[in-house]
Amino acid sequence: DQQVKQNSPSLSVQEGRISILNCDYTNSMFDYFLWYKKYPAEGPTFLISISSIKDKNEDGRFTVFLNKSAKHLSLHIVPSQPGDSAVYFCAARSRDQTGANNLFFGTGTRLTVIP
Amino acid sequence: EPEVTQTPSHQVTQMGQEVILRCVPISNHLYFYWYRQILGQKVEFLVSFYNNEISEKSEIFDDQFSVERPDGSNFTLKIRSTKLEDSAMYFCASSVKFSSYNEQFFGPGTRLTVL
Repeated sequence: DQQVKQNSPSLSVQEGRISILNCDYTNSMFDYFLWYKKYPAEGPTFLISISSIKDKNEDGRFTVFLNKSAKHLSLHIVPSQPGDSAVYFCAARSRDQTGANNLFFGTGTRLTVIP
Repeated sequence: EPEVTQTPSHQVTQMGQEVILRCVPISNHLYFYWYRQILGQKVEFLVSFYNNEISEKSEIFDDQFSVERPDGSNFTLKIRSTKLEDSAMYFCASSVKFSSYNEQFFGPGTRLTVL
């Protein structure tokens, strides 16, 4: 069951450059997409989200792009900072469930920002 | 800033034993969740809980699992008879309501090791 896929397990970027993390999904019933950041020994932390009716959402250095026709979303971080080094999870919510915002996660991409 | 807390941080148990993982969600949140992450794999949804009952559960959440909100602050996950494959990081999460802007706040996790 791979409804949400992150095909790049790792990414290395120079400080100051753009980081682009990608995510693909298969379920057309997903109506909300989220990105979480996870540091070692901590739980995932919500970063940014986008509704399926939009194609872009921006919050400071973080922008999420959604291409519904391609069932693809991406997270752009610019400029990248060493503190951004973490594992980034893409997650999606399906409105065909009975209730409470159950999230489907990708396998994560480990971002390393090199000073 | 309010946060979700989980205890213990690490639990070691023998196969066949019962374990209870504890969580204290954020105080004004109404929806509660358990997820798990087997080492090297994706975060997987287990169960969601609202209004003192299970809203939704995944295939993983079989009869060996149960959840409870024994008082106004704690939210527990019980595994009745642990198996080796239950070894994982277990994350509790909570959210304020079912809304178009879903934010699930995650705890730091409990690492369960079944020997």
